[in-house]
Amino acid sequence: SQTIHQWPATLVQPVGSPLSLECTVEGTSNPNLYWYRQAAGRGLQLLFYSVGIGQISSEVPQNLSASRPQDRQFILSSKKLLLSDSGFYLCAWLQGQPTNYGYTFGSGTRLTVV
Amino acid sequence: DAKTTQPPSMDCAEGRAANLPCNHSTISGNEYVYWYRQIHSQGPQYIIHGLKNNETNEMASLIITEDRKSSTLILPHATLRDTAVYYCIVRVNDYKLSFGAGTTVTVRA
Repeated sequence: SQTIHQWPATLVQPVGSPLSLECTVEGTSNPNLYWYRQAAGRGLQLLFYSVGIGQISSEVPQNLSASRPQDRQFILSSKKLLLSDSGFYLCAWLQGQPTNYGYTFGSGTRLTVV
Repeated sequence: DAKTTQPPSMDCAEGRAANLPCNHSTISGNEYVYWYRQIHSQGPQYIIHGLKNNETNEMASLIITEDRKSSTLILPHATLRDTAVYYCIVRVNDYKLSFGAGTTVTVRA
């Protein structure tokens, strides 16, 4: 069965520090992978998506970057965090179109920048 | 993408059906209606999707009007665990879905 792992669950980081969030998928190959962010009390904002190794599309200009070094690994990074980077970060994968199961989301990382 | 309009919140009694409306008057012929829900502090969960015909699965039913300008998600027997934010999304496919504010559904005992 397909599973998605995301860590850490919570993170408190000082302003200006680097960030690395990792997401891995098991039980599938060549998935579409996504990073979303949800600010407190808001909807989900798509940050990045990837259709294959080394292929990254950015949806909004920001302080973050993404990489896909392996088929089932998606990494969200920042060199210097800003206060506005705080939020709930979710990784998701999708295979096939249109699907009968939709996106599968990870459990999320709650990032607080202080 | 077609814009959707959902009520910001609604209450439902446990054990009763919950009917969640969604307006999408500018939907085009090849756009699907997707429903997801997000329980507090978790990632969204896919519920159901449809194009023209009504759809039903183990979680819910989706009723799409004949003109496709609106739809209703039906949770047949709401439980306390159905308390969540429900998102109605319209897109050609489910690549790059955008999740708006949704409807906050509170199921009360």
